[in-house]
Amino acid sequence: KAGVTQTPRYLIKTRGQQVTLSCSPISGHRSVSWYQQTPGQGLQFLFEYFSETQRNKGNFPGRFSGRQFSNSRSEMNVSTLELGDSALYLCASSSYELNTEAFFGQGTRLTVV
Amino acid sequence: GESVGLHLPTLSVQEGDNSIINCAYSNSASDYFIWYKQESGKGPQFIIDIRSNMDKRQGQRVTVLLNKTVKHLSLQIAATQPGDSAVYFCAEKDAGGTSYGKLTFGQGTILTVHP
Repeated sequence: KAGVTQTPRYLIKTRGQQVTLSCSPISGHRSVSWYQQTPGQGLQFLFEYFSETQRNKGNFPGRFSGRQFSNSRSEMNVSTLELGDSALYLCASSSYELNTEAFFGQGTRLTVV
Repeated sequence: GESVGLHLPTLSVQEGDNSIINCAYSNSASDYFIWYKQESGKGPQFIIDIRSNMDKRQGQRVTVLLNKTVKHLSLQIAATQPGDSAVYFCAEKDAGGTSYGKLTFGQGTILTVHP
């Protein structure tokens, strides 16, 4: 079974731009969560999607948004990028029905310059 | 000004020793706890989990202990190997009905195993 796939792996953007990150969950998993990892704040929950609906949201500004498609693939978008948005963005998938643990992808390393 | 980074606890052991990594959690409502291992350049990898109705669970070379009274979790790694060198995170999940998959992570502990 393929694991969680995140694309792209690395990204460099300029302040003020926007960015879209993609996550393909493990086949059969319908729950996708996003986390931001920085040296200063550690791993912080961004949001979670299940069945194309946002079920939970962390304490991040409205510049951070996401969505989930009918095939459970998810995207997150960050608009008006700031230097502080530089981070490793991690996606995790799980099966709510089977109550599995969260499996993480390798992340997308975003650098804002 | 510059942001201050987290000062992660570090644990340095010799190959073959047993390692114990500790974690304090804050949410009394948490009912599910997980340990993750994160190697450089990779996402967190599941090691072992435990539910709040248990106080101990064993896996291959790893044991997790849960003390709900003092809200403390520990991960014991037996016969630690150089390949165990990584950052270890504990994570907790709230029992609340709307929490679904949201995990709250601890700050992490850096484990270094010397050959």
